[in-house]
Amino acid sequence: EPEVTQTPSHQVTQMGQEVILRCVPISNHLYFYWYRQILGQKVEFLVSFYNNEISEKSEIFDDQFSVERPDGSNFTLKIRSTKLEDSAMYFCASSEVIDRGEYEQYFGPGTRLTVT
Amino acid sequence: AQKVTQAQTEISVVEKEDVTLDCVYETRDTTYYLFWYKQPPSGELVFLIRRNSFDEQNEISGRYSWNFQKSTSSFNFTITASQVVDSAVYFCALSEASTPVSEKLVFGKGTKLTVNP
Repeated sequence: EPEVTQTPSHQVTQMGQEVILRCVPISNHLYFYWYRQILGQKVEFLVSFYNNEISEKSEIFDDQFSVERPDGSNFTLKIRSTKLEDSAMYFCASSEVIDRGEYEQYFGPGTRLTVT
Repeated sequence: AQKVTQAQTEISVVEKEDVTLDCVYETRDTTYYLFWYKQPPSGELVFLIRRNSFDEQNEISGRYSWNFQKSTSSFNFTITASQVVDSAVYFCALSEASTPVSEKLVFGKGTKLTVNP
């Protein structure tokens, strides 16, 4: 069964450094998402992406964040200058067609980002 | 604004007990979608069910059942004859039809279920 993959599974970085989290969505999916989950808390929407542009973003997704689909298969989340509070599990998700409710978002296994 | 409330932070049961996880949602839309996801200790998010606002039929899938009641804005999840493997955090989520094409999910805070042998 096709699945969303994410690399790395765990990333440790120093405050102020740039990180890039990578995702490979399911191949025929057209809608892509990033969510994050701070340890022990709820899953929060960051951004959605369709047709090579952001379709919606949350207030969390500030200028430090960017997304890109560089090569038609990967979907990346970049954090330009990491802060301690960026430490979280980051989930990538993809969905096939937005046919109002007749879809599900398939989640990747997550990347745990630790900022020290 | 959309909101999902899971009032039960943690529940602990003994194997074979039935357990119900509560979910109450808020939305101004008449068309919306409700979901349940399971997050086992390994951390991934596993899709369990999707329900649209026009379909109030309850659903049963093996030991799992869902009770959707629009009158009380609730979408509760029951596990019958719980097993140790059911131990996980369970999230209820909402998606509104009127949001932009992204169909983002808004999650509740989750209920941690521990099933003891």
